[in-house]
Amino acid sequence: QVQLAESGGGLVKPGGSLTLSCAATGFSFSDHYMAWIRQAPGRGLEWISSVSGSGNVKYIADSVEGRFTIFRDNAKNSLHLQMHNLRVDDTAVYYCARESSRAAVTFWFDSWGQGTLVTVSS
Amino acid sequence: SYVLTQSPSVSVAPGQTARITCGGDKIGSKSVHWYQQKPGQAPVLVVYDDTDRPSGIPERFSGSNFENTATLTITRVEAGDEADYLCQVWDFNTDRRVFGGGTKLTVL
Repeated sequence: QVQLAESGGGLVKPGGSLTLSCAATGFSFSDHYMAWIRQAPGRGLEWISSVSGSGNVKYIADSVEGRFTIFRDNAKNSLHLQMHNLRVDDTAVYYCARESSRAAVTFWFDSWGQGTLVTVSS
Repeated sequence: SYVLTQSPSVSVAPGQTARITCGGDKIGSKSVHWYQQKPGQAPVLVVYDDTDRPSGIPERFSGSNFENTATLTITRVEAGDEADYLCQVWDFNTDRRVFGGGTKLTVL
């Protein structure tokens, strides 16, 4: 079955950098868009970024554009999120999710990892 | 950017029907997806593409979408349905995925 496992979270100082990873198993990884979604403590879900199956097409939220970069390694069935210039308000649980679509006119998240906590604090 | 609006909370007695709404400008022209999230757990997809259910999701969960409001309906509510429910769309104007703020369902 589909399994997604995030890693790489932890405590980092404001202005610091971190790279998150997501290991995917149980499906044809390169056939799916993949995404990162975060949830700040006590808050709702915030979509961060998505990448196409080939890795050539990327979308990113305004709140992190210029600081975060999504990329994938299809040979290793892994998804990554490189985060630079981290701020206190980036503190959140970061989820990796598989996307599915209908004729590329809508996208939804049909499988989620358990999340990895990123804490930005001095 | 596109905004989805959800009421913060809904309460319902066991066995009754819960209706959770998601408002957005002409949301009826978009496909809406719904997620259930219990405390400390990852979200779970319960309805996609307005009305479809993933395998394993009970028929008690259903969705509709018309004009400016999408609705998730849960019939014969059980204690185990208590959770946050979030709607989501793909904004084709910006290629961004958008979530509503979530509705906390309380089973009395």
